[in-house]
Amino acid sequence: GDSVTQMEGPVTLSEEAFLTINCTYTATGYPSLFWYVQYPGEGLQLLLKATKADDKGSNKGFEATYRKETTSFHLEKGSVQVSDSAVYFCALSDGFTGGGNKLTFGTGTQLKVEL
Amino acid sequence: SAVISQKPSRDICQRGTSLTIQCQVDSQVTMMFWYRQQPGQSLTLIATANQGSEATYESGFVIDKFPISRPNLTFSTLTVSNMSPEDSSIYLCSVGTGGYGYTFGSGTRLTVV
Repeated sequence: GDSVTQMEGPVTLSEEAFLTINCTYTATGYPSLFWYVQYPGEGLQLLLKATKADDKGSNKGFEATYRKETTSFHLEKGSVQVSDSAVYFCALSDGFTGGGNKLTFGTGTQLKVEL
Repeated sequence: SAVISQKPSRDICQRGTSLTIQCQVDSQVTMMFWYRQQPGQSLTLIATANQGSEATYESGFVIDKFPISRPNLTFSTLTVSNMSPEDSSIYLCSVGTGGYGYTFGSGTRLTVV
């Protein structure tokens, strides 16, 4: 079945440091890929997504590129801020949402950004 | 994209009792999904609710423990029945937003004592 593997946390960085959170996946077909963020005490928010190979999703300075050859969707940000402290989840879906395709999540990576 | 109102936001319940969680969506959606997030863990799909038919449960989840209702295209409930401390989790509903996106409710943080 489908699965998502992401690097374990917590990841602790200083403000303005470069961030990479690795995510690899296993899926049949051609999944859509997502990064969700969960701030402390809040629900999940979609950060970015990519629906086909070589697509780059981007939002709020975060980027991730859908790499089919390496089955990866690594999250990057050039300069993190304290406000980026949260848990980040990589996820995939096997298809169109109207078809009842569920999301499969990675285990989440906690990011702590310090001054 | 769709906006989901989920309630209650949190509750503390006695073991052996049941809690019903509600999700209201501001637009009509075909599928609604219910997830569980145990402390420090990732999200696990409990079931998929399609209006007009019985919910489809994932392996390890059964209807007697997690009955779901889906009376119309904008509303669904999940009941956590006969609760034990192991049921302490965050429960989230989710809908597809069209295309390939999903929106989540703000979650219900359940503590069973």
